[in-house]
Amino acid sequence: EAGVAQSPRYKIIEKRQSVAFWCNPISGHATLYWYQQILGQGPKLLIQFQNNGVVDDSQLPKDRFSAERLKGVDSTLKIQPAKLEDSAVYLCASSPWDDLRGTDTQYFGPGTRLTVL
Amino acid sequence: AQTVTQSQPEMSVQEAETVTLSCTYDTSESDYYLFWYKQPPSRQMILVIRQEAYKQQNATENRFSVNFQKAAKSFSLKISDSQLGDAAMYFCAYGGATNKLIFGTGTLLAVQP
Repeated sequence: EAGVAQSPRYKIIEKRQSVAFWCNPISGHATLYWYQQILGQGPKLLIQFQNNGVVDDSQLPKDRFSAERLKGVDSTLKIQPAKLEDSAVYLCASSPWDDLRGTDTQYFGPGTRLTVL
Repeated sequence: AQTVTQSQPEMSVQEAETVTLSCTYDTSESDYYLFWYKQPPSRQMILVIRQEAYKQQNATENRFSVNFQKAAKSFSLKISDSQLGDAAMYFCAYGGATNKLIFGTGTLLAVQP
């Protein structure tokens, strides 16, 4: 079974520029998550999709971050404009979880390391 | 709101020895899961072990086992017969009703040959 795919693996941009990350979850997984992991910290949830609807985006800085999951499969996370403090690893995860299941294991992709100069 | 605390920023163990990583959490939910994830330098999060809160029996996966104390809200990870490949950052995580994970700050484990 193929795992969660993410691209690019690394990205370096100047502050105020825009950047986009892509995630392809495990086939059949209903739920997709984007986490931000700042160096020395644990991952923090940015947004959670169930199919193509948003379950939780309470910690997404909506003035600069946006995310979409078209057709309930792939997802993109965009930052516009980027700030220095956005330097982090952006992790995508997926799980089979839906409203009918209890808590379920999340499977993570390799992440995208973003450096904002 | 749920919180997860890992009080050991770094730990070290000799190869073939046993080490225990600590984790405490706080929640008002009665039904939840707890996880230990391993993150090597490649940064990919790898599931080590998971524990359902309604199960009294501690989870075990080969050399990895947990000591789950629900009343004390404690969830420690024991690694037996430590190997060089076990060296990584270990994160404790809480998963509740919406399946959102709350992570601790991690423990960096070094394995000495």
